[in-house]
Amino acid sequence: GDSVTQMEGPVTLSEEAFLTINCTYTATGYPSLFWYVQYPGEGLQLLLKATKADDKGSNKGFEATYRKETTSFHLEKGSVQVSDSAVYFCALRNAGNNRKLIWGLGTSLAVNP
Amino acid sequence: DAEITQSPRHKITETGRQVTLACHQTWNHNNMFWYRQDLGHGLRLIHYSYGVQDTNKGEVSDGYSVSRSNTEDLPLTLESAASSQTSVYFCASSGGPGQASYEQYFGPGTRLTVT
Repeated sequence: GDSVTQMEGPVTLSEEAFLTINCTYTATGYPSLFWYVQYPGEGLQLLLKATKADDKGSNKGFEATYRKETTSFHLEKGSVQVSDSAVYFCALRNAGNNRKLIWGLGTSLAVNP
Repeated sequence: DAEITQSPRHKITETGRQVTLACHQTWNHNNMFWYRQDLGHGLRLIHYSYGVQDTNKGEVSDGYSVSRSNTEDLPLTLESAASSQTSVYFCASSGGPGQASYEQYFGPGTRLTVT
């Protein structure tokens, strides 16, 4: 079945460091891919998305490119801030079942000043 | 503004008791979902609904039930609470008019402790 694998956390960085959180997937067909973010004490919210191969999603300085050849959707940010401390979830939607999402386990990020 | 709310935000209950967690959304979304979040397991889908009178089991549905009598609400009931059901529960919704069905909007969560 479809699945999403994220790098294990926690990830700890200093402010202004470069961030990469790896995400790879297994899916039939051509899924859509998403990153959600969960700030402390809150529910998840959509951060960015990509719906076809080679698409780049971006928001709030974060970027991720849909790489079909490597089945990956890695999240990157050039300069993290303390306010980026959160848990990040990679998810996919299979084209054959477009209302449910398949979730990764989440990666916790802590940014120190 | 449209929103999705959950109540209570925190609940402590005893083993064997019936517990109902409320979820209410004003997005006019067709789809609603209940998840539980546990360390090391990420988000796991408990039940979901694609419309009024429609309910479906997710991957961890044993011991839980839902009913959908209107568009706005999807209450989650734990029939006989067990310590293994101690968790943080999130409700989410998606699929309103003119909105992408994949973008799920989450409530703030309910932290449930079963003693």
